[in-house]
Amino acid sequence: SQKIEQNSEALNIQEGKTATLTCNYTNYSPAYLQWYRQDPGRGPVFLLLIRENEKEKRKERLKVTFDTTLKQSLFHITASQPADSATYLCALGGGADGLTFGKGTHLIIQP
Amino acid sequence: DTAVSQTPKYLVTQMGNDKSIKCEQNLGHDTMYWYKQDSKKFLKIMFSYNNKELIINETVPNRFSPKSPDKAHLNLHINSLELGDSAVYFCASSPQGMGNTEAFFGQGTRLTVV
Repeated sequence: SQKIEQNSEALNIQEGKTATLTCNYTNYSPAYLQWYRQDPGRGPVFLLLIRENEKEKRKERLKVTFDTTLKQSLFHITASQPADSATYLCALGGGADGLTFGKGTHLIIQP
Repeated sequence: DTAVSQTPKYLVTQMGNDKSIKCEQNLGHDTMYWYKQDSKKFLKIMFSYNNKELIINETVPNRFSPKSPDKAHLNLHINSLELGDSAVYFCASSPQGMGNTEAFFGQGTRLTVV
């Protein structure tokens, strides 16, 4: 069965540093990979989508890479700020049933 | 002007009851979803609904049934509620199914079964 692994424990990063989150998957060949942000008590909010034929995607301070050989995506937040503290979810797409989510990584940016 | 809205935000009910959660999207999207987020924060798809085609996650009990009166609405009906149904339920929509476009989520409905 499909399996998506994200760092399930909290990731503590000092303000101003680059935060790097990892998403690994097995038994799946997604055509698309998405990253979402979820704050407590709120629904997930879309951040970035990357296609299988793209190596890298950027949006402001965010960067996503997608390595279909390693079956891995890396999500980077540069110049991190306390406001970036949230849970970040990796999601795979390409099947008829929409997105399959990982359990998320809780990111804490410390001032 | 909320894109995906669901009601109620909180729902507390007793075991054995039947309840419904409503969802509406004003984005003109073709596909709507219901997701369940359990206490461990794992977000799991329950249903995908696209142009009257319903795709059901096989692990969802048949006590759960989605109903779509029109393209902008996908309501979730739950019969004979059980303690294990307690979770946060999210409605979402996207322009297309297949995961190739961003999905927009509602704010969630926290269901507590006592």
